[in-house]
Amino acid sequence: QVQLQESGPGLVKPSETLSLTCTVSGGSVSNDDWNWVRQPAGKGLEWIGRLSTSGYSGNSPSLKSRVTMSIDKSKNQFSLNLKSLTAADTAVYFCARSSGSKHDSWGQGILVTVSS
Amino acid sequence: QSVLTQPPSVSAAPGQRVTISCSGSTSNIGSNYVSWYQQLPGTAPKLLIYEHNKRPSGISDRFSGSKSGTSATLGITGLQTGDEADYYCGTWDTSLSAVVFGGGTKLAVL
Repeated sequence: QVQLQESGPGLVKPSETLSLTCTVSGGSVSNDDWNWVRQPAGKGLEWIGRLSTSGYSGNSPSLKSRVTMSIDKSKNQFSLNLKSLTAADTAVYFCARSSGSKHDSWGQGILVTVSS
Repeated sequence: QSVLTQPPSVSAAPGQRVTISCSGSTSNIGSNYVSWYQQLPGTAPKLLIYEHNKRPSGISDRFSGSKSGTSATLGITGLQTGDEADYYCGTWDTSLSAVVFGGGTKLAVL
């Protein structure tokens, strides 16, 4: 069974860039699609973007200009960079696998706070 | 404001049945598969239903899904206190070229 684990800083300053990594075990990043989803405290889920080694990538229209994602097949990891952070980017960030239309495996989430 | 509309909360007694609705449009629910997720407090979302009405291995048959037109419904029978959680619908939106989620529904088992 595939497992995902997010890693990265818990605190980032406004205007800086957030870099998160998701490590995949029990499966290969060369298969399926890989997503980032975030959830501000007390609020709903917001999809950030998706990518795959087949070359597909897509981002939320509202975040598109600030998001960069990549896959490292040698480390079986994928990453998210979100630039020009503001307090509104404070959230729990999840990585998730999607197969077809369903997100069937999720990481436990990492809380990222944007504050000076 | 979420693209998919869910009621903020629903409640029912233990053992009863409850339904949670998810309303969208022709560009999302009307033309793409719907998934449902359960999020227990402090945990990651868990896939409950995919492709409108299919259950992943290990998911109880107390959970069911259906779709009609531009709306989808999650049904839960034989409610248990352990079902208290937030439930989210999700799908692809062809016009936005993005995954969209409902705002979530908090289930209380009274």
